Amino acid sequence: AQKVTQAQTEISVVEKEDVTLDCVYETRDTTYYLFWYKQPPSGELVFLIRRNSFDEQNEISGRYSWNFQKSTSSFNFTITASQVVDSAVYFCALSEKGGSEKLVFGKGTKLTVNP
Amino acid sequence: EAGVAQSPRYKIIEKRQSVAFWCNPISGHATLYWYQQILGQGPKLLIQFQNNGVVDDSQLPKDRFSAERLKGVDSTLKIQPAKLEDSAVYLCASSLRGRENSPLHFGNGTRLTVT
Repeated sequence: AQKVTQAQTEISVVEKEDVTLDCVYETRDTTYYLFWYKQPPSGELVFLIRRNSFDEQNEISGRYSWNFQKSTSSFNFTITASQVVDSAVYFCALSEKGGSEKLVFGKGTKLTVNP
Repeated sequence: EAGVAQSPRYKIIEKRQSVAFWCNPISGHATLYWYQQILGQGPKLLIQFQNNGVVDDSQLPKDRFSAERLKGVDSTLKIQPAKLEDSAVYLCASSLRGRENSPLHFGNGTRLTVT
């Protein structure tokens, strides 16, 4: 069965600090997709990134970077030089190839960036 | 492009009453999802439509929840009768079909409070 674990419930940092959000997943499929979404206080879930299971290259987008390691079933997300606007709940999610392609979400990590 | 539209934004009802939520997906998106997000948890899929057909409703409490997507565009989700544990944010999402596991685009959600 699919499962996504985000062990960090809440993280608080001071602006300009780097912060890493952890995500560990479980799946029996060899082909699957991993996602990160951001949920600001407005409530809308905003798509950040999608990776497939065959692409373990790390990705960087501005201050955001993602580290995908199949050996440890992890897909961690790092924000460099955090800003107050990064404050939100971040969700890691998993979907398997084919079928309904539904997303299974973790419980989320609430990030607070203080000025 | 216009995003996923949902209404109402907020709804407060008493237990045993009925309630309906409406969603209009992004134009051209064939796949539509309803997710339930209980406070402090990640979203959980209730039902997925492909055009006007149901793909996955395995986690929909069918004794009280129903959903339809007539004409394959907008959709309504109904709860009748509501229970206290139905208090949650109901999120609608849509995605393109044809692109494997394409990202979901979410609306702002409807926050339901059952008293």
